[in-house]
Amino acid sequence: EPEVTQTPSHQVTQMGQEVILRCVPISNHLYFYWYRQILGQKVEFLVSFYNNEISEKSEIFDDQFSVERPDGSNFTLKIRSTKLEDSAMYFCASTTIGTANSPLHFGNGTRLTVT
Amino acid sequence: AQKITQTQPGMFVQEKEAVTLDCTYDTSDQSYGLFWYKQPSSGEMIFLIYQGSYDEQNATEGRYSLNFQKARKSANLVISASQLGDSAMYFCAMRGSSNYKLTFGKGTLLTVNP
Repeated sequence: EPEVTQTPSHQVTQMGQEVILRCVPISNHLYFYWYRQILGQKVEFLVSFYNNEISEKSEIFDDQFSVERPDGSNFTLKIRSTKLEDSAMYFCASTTIGTANSPLHFGNGTRLTVT
Repeated sequence: AQKITQTQPGMFVQEKEAVTLDCTYDTSDQSYGLFWYKQPSSGEMIFLIYQGSYDEQNATEGRYSLNFQKARKSANLVISASQLGDSAMYFCAMRGSSNYKLTFGKGTLLTVNP
């Protein structure tokens, strides 16, 4: 069964450094998402992406964050200058269609640790 | 805007018994979807079951079923014949027709005892 893949599974970085989290969505999916989950807390929406542009973003997704689909298969989340509070599990997700009845399929996540 | 409420931070169940995990929601959308995800300790997010707002029958998927009560705005997950491998965090989530992001509840940590 096709799946969303995320790399790396774990990344450790120093405060102030840039990180890029990578995702390969399921090939025929058109809608892409990033979520994050701070340890022990709820899963929070960051951004949705469709047709090569951001369709919605949350208050968390400030100027330090950006997303890109550079080559038609990868979907990346960049954090320009990491803060301690960016430490979290970051999930990429994708779905076929932008309707209420289509489930999002999640990758296994990237655990980001900012020291 | 959508809101999901899961009032049970933790639940315990004996192996082979059934358990119900509660979920209530709030939305102004007429059309919406309700989803349950399982997150084992390894961290991945696994899609379990879906219920559409216009579906007249409760969704079922193997040992998982959804007790959907639209008037009460509830979508409880029922797991029958619990197994040790069911021990995990369970999230209720919804997508509306006004925006298509998935909104999650805080989750319920289920522990299955042998």
